[in-house]
Amino acid sequence: DAKTTQPNSMESNEEEPVHLPCNHSTISGTDYIHWYRQLPSQGPEYVIHGLTSNVNNRMASLAIAEDRKSSTLILHRATLRDAAVYYCIPKKSSGDKLTFGTGTRLAVRP
Amino acid sequence: EAGVAQSPRYKIIEKRQSVAFWCNPISGHATLYWYQQILGQGPKLLIQFQNNGVVDDSQLPKDRFSAERLKGVDSTLKIQPAKLEDSAVYLCASSSVDRGKSQYFGPGTRLLVL
Repeated sequence: DAKTTQPNSMESNEEEPVHLPCNHSTISGTDYIHWYRQLPSQGPEYVIHGLTSNVNNRMASLAIAEDRKSSTLILHRATLRDAAVYYCIPKKSSGDKLTFGTGTRLAVRP
Repeated sequence: EAGVAQSPRYKIIEKRQSVAFWCNPISGHATLYWYQQILGQGPKLLIQFQNNGVVDDSQLPKDRFSAERLKGVDSTLKIQPAKLEDSAVYLCASSSVDRGKSQYFGPGTRLLVL
């Protein structure tokens, strides 16, 4: 499994954009980059995933570096509800397995 | 659409006792996962089922943990006997068979072993 490096914690102000980085320099060419988040006292929830191109959905945007060795999850306007632990997970296209690291704990200030 | 259901939500037992957790996945999801999440860490996969067959149980401590998914729907995870280090949140997740589909997680069962 590809190894990932994420900051332990980050802070943001409410209604400001947040950029959550992830390094995955050992990612293979066929691994998708998935992001999940875990709100307090809840199970993880899917946020977004991509392979090479940048991706957008109603929750967030995912910017993938051209060499695919890093990616950035972008929350365009952070809300208090976005306070969570965010996990970046390379995942093989042919498999189901998710290997979680320790993630980035995001705090959002009112 | 109903989410993944788990019970109980909390359980406190003494070491060497037995405990069982139950999971009901999203209707129609063939794949079911059990994860263990120790405080301060990310979830760790214990076992993965495809319908009622085991796909991956490489990280399941088989001397004390067991899991089954009879009829390919609900699943139970059992610990017998429990150790102090089993204190954790046990998460169940499910996904459809389509490749790339995301996993949907339940709220988890928080286990404290005294």
